[in-house]
Amino acid sequence: KNEVEQSPQNLTAQEGEFITINCSYSVGISALHWLQQHPGGGIVSLFMLSSGKKKHGRLIATINIQEKHSSLHITASHPRDSAVYICAVEDGNQFYFGTGTSLTVIP
Amino acid sequence: DVKVTQSSRYLVKRTGEKVFLECVQDMDHENMFWYRQDPGLGLRLIYFSYDVKMKEKGDIPEGYSVSREKKERFSLILESASTNQTSMYLCASSSWGGYYEQYFGPGTRLTVT
Repeated sequence: KNEVEQSPQNLTAQEGEFITINCSYSVGISALHWLQQHPGGGIVSLFMLSSGKKKHGRLIATINIQEKHSSLHITASHPRDSAVYICAVEDGNQFYFGTGTSLTVIP
Repeated sequence: DVKVTQSSRYLVKRTGEKVFLECVQDMDHENMFWYRQDPGLGLRLIYFSYDVKMKEKGDIPEGYSVSREKKERFSLILESASTNQTSMYLCASSSWGGYYEQYFGPGTRLTVT
């Protein structure tokens, strides 16, 4: 059983579309992270949140602690958003990772 | 600008060779981690270290060992490389405590032939 489940696994969108990636988890958490992995492997931390909502540019992350669910939204998607998005939950010093959502944005 | 560096981006080794993967961070972080990433399996923790000379096994430590002689450096060792260790290896570091972000290195793509 995976502690962190992401959906969808793969997503193709047209440029400009609004995109949502979902993450559900089953462990108690101290924080949830959204990571972006570019082709070639480099990983960038997008958000770390423990409640509510955070916004950075066209990216929005929300978390519902009671429902153990988080969403990552991308508004006005662009081909440069094409990447793998990974949800990770943190319980003390232990991290649990989702398998990632591969996003392709077509011009 | 925070930085985690890994010694190689790409590495090709033969079965049975001893392989060293080096990771260095310049943020004075206490915690350092080694993950491997495989398609469909996501990131899996191999080992982590929360202090110099301290190490803890992660989810998949078999076939690996680690060394942390200095705070900024965390090495992953494959004692006798096997083809099933062909993977992307990612190092990360974080400060102590539950609310601190992990910072990742660029990754090393290891191929064992």
